[in-house]
Amino acid sequence: QVQLQESGPGLVKPSETLSLTCTVSSGSISSYFWIWIRQAPGRGLEWIGHTSFTGSTNYNPSLRSRVTISVDRSRNQLSLSLRSMTAADTAVYYCASFDGYNAPFDYWGRGTPVTVSS
Amino acid sequence: QSVLTQPPSVSGAPGQRVTISCTGSSSDVGAGFDVHWYQQLPGTAPKLLISGNNNRPSGVPDRFSGSKSGTSASLAITGLQAEDEADYYCQSYDSSVHVLFGGGTKLTVL
Repeated sequence: QVQLQESGPGLVKPSETLSLTCTVSSGSISSYFWIWIRQAPGRGLEWIGHTSFTGSTNYNPSLRSRVTISVDRSRNQLSLSLRSMTAADTAVYYCASFDGYNAPFDYWGRGTPVTVSS
Repeated sequence: QSVLTQPPSVSGAPGQRVTISCTGSSSDVGAGFDVHWYQQLPGTAPKLLISGNNNRPSGVPDRFSGSKSGTSASLAITGLQAEDEADYYCQSYDSSVHVLFGGGTKLTVL
């Protein structure tokens, strides 16, 4: 069973760049597709973007200009970079895995909270 | 505003049956993409509840079932239990390989 663990700074200043990693254990990052999802306080789930093991990516149009998702096969890690952070980016950030287009997200990390504040 | 539409809340007494609807469009659910359902208990990450419209992953009680017709899908919970109180989200895709979520439905067990 794939296990995922997000990690990150917890607190980011406005205008700075958020960098998160998702470490994959009990599975190979080259075997699945990977997605970042966030949830603002009291709100629903929001798709940020996803990548395949080939490196192809697809981003939420509302975030595309600020987001980069990549895979580090040597470390079995997924990463998220979100630039020009604002208070509206305050959320719990989740990584999850899936088998491909039209598939469900079957394994999730516990999520990491990120607060944007000076 | 979410692309998939869910009722904000539903409620039911223990033992009753409740349903949660998820309405999309001809560009996503109606185009043949599967609908998946997730349960999010308070303070926890979402968990896959129903995959591919009507399939229960191992460990999910058979009180939970899903269906899909046209541009809509539904999640049904029978024999409602207090532990079912949670937020429920539907999810699908569109032809641009965009991921779509419903806005979520809060289930209250009375």
